[in-house]
Amino acid sequence: DSGVTQTPKHLITATGQRVTLRCSPRSGDLSVYWYQQSLDQGLQFLIHYYNGEERAKGNILERFSAQQFPDLHSELNLSSLELGDSALYFCASSVATEGAGVDTEAFFGQGTRLTVV
Amino acid sequence: DAKTTQPNSMESNEEEPVHLPCNHSTISGTDYIHWYRQLPSQGPEYVIHGLTSNVNNRMASLAIAEDRKSSTLILHRATLRDAAVYYCILRDYSGGGADGLTFGKGTHLIIQP
Repeated sequence: DSGVTQTPKHLITATGQRVTLRCSPRSGDLSVYWYQQSLDQGLQFLIHYYNGEERAKGNILERFSAQQFPDLHSELNLSSLELGDSALYFCASSVATEGAGVDTEAFFGQGTRLTVV
Repeated sequence: DAKTTQPNSMESNEEEPVHLPCNHSTISGTDYIHWYRQLPSQGPEYVIHGLTSNVNNRMASLAIAEDRKSSTLILHRATLRDAAVYYCILRDYSGGGADGLTFGKGTHLIIQP
């Protein structure tokens, strides 16, 4: 158990709909990262939040957005869903002391499997 | 992040050591070398990371070449549970580590009983 909790585990929805995926990081971790894993693209970094603020964007579509709340949990919002958005979405957290110059490990949740029909 | 090259797959026998290679000839001085693995139907799992010196932890050892252009993940005694995709990732932390991890295709490790 990594200590990172993602809900729901599975989600089936129709094209054009909007869904929200939730992530609770490990206790004390300030950084939350979102990743998408699909068969054709592999694991791709989407976005990073640190202590409530967006820190970096990866290959995130404009239809997707995220936020991190004061209690440090994060939500990934996916809208106008397309069939190609079907994938596993992972959240990871790390203690990530900004600017310390020392890298740390990330802890991943079990993922949310999104199926768009 | 700099690019890494790993074999697509490797096979080993249970209870034997496994050496997983990774080439990263364009590594910069501020790139950390990370290894993660992903077991079937699970999220990636941190294995080990290092900068210049060899590293050991309860899961594995990381041997880093003197010129840092290659590294080897060593599983000392493989079990069936170690069958997974292993990812070697370089991460530049000079800017504070804002960017996420860049996963390649990794090495699919098969363990024979």
